[in-house]
Amino acid sequence: DQQVKQNSPSLSVQEGRISILNCDYTNSMFDYFLWYKKYPAEGPTFLISISSIKDKNEDGRFTVFLNKSAKHLSLHIVPSQPGDSAVYFCAASGLGQNFVFGPGTRLSVLP
Amino acid sequence: DGGITQSPKYLFRKEGQNVTLSCEQNLNHDAMYWYRQDPGQGLRLIYYSQIVNDFQKGDIAEGYSVSREKKESFPLTVTSAQKNPTAFYLCASKSAGGAAGEQYFGPGTRLTVT
Repeated sequence: DQQVKQNSPSLSVQEGRISILNCDYTNSMFDYFLWYKKYPAEGPTFLISISSIKDKNEDGRFTVFLNKSAKHLSLHIVPSQPGDSAVYFCAASGLGQNFVFGPGTRLSVLP
Repeated sequence: DGGITQSPKYLFRKEGQNVTLSCEQNLNHDAMYWYRQDPGQGLRLIYYSQIVNDFQKGDIAEGYSVSREKKESFPLTVTSAQKNPTAFYLCASKSAGGAAGEQYFGPGTRLTVT
């Protein structure tokens, strides 16, 4: 039973356009969410976070939106660059809980 | 430079042999974690440790063992009891203090058992 879902295994976007990666969760106790980016044969690197007291957090080209009522979050990358091509994981946790990771979405940004 | 290291990057073993994966961090983090990644799946938690000399099982601890004798080190042993040991193993650390704050990951070790 996956508590964190990323229903799109892959996504292709043209360079310069917006990339939107989606993540859904089932546990209403989750109140802190992270996005990680992972290149092949490397460990994930932290990208951006959001806590449940906010519905948006922005860092440069990356924005995360949280819709608590829908148990949905999304990562927007704009403009997308070829170097953004990677696997993106969302992760969620609640108070005192370990993070639960989604299966990842592979983003390909085409030049 | 502060960071978290895992060695080796690639590891090959014969079935039936135990193998130990190294994880070291110099970030002064209290908490350390071991995850396993398989194709098409998210990271699954094997073991974690919030403090030296203490560790807890994660979601898929069977066939694995850990120790936490030093704050900096959290080695993972993949035993012969682990039925599908071939995977990409990731170690992470985090400063203690609640759920907030990201985990820092090492570069990973790809273990192949034949």
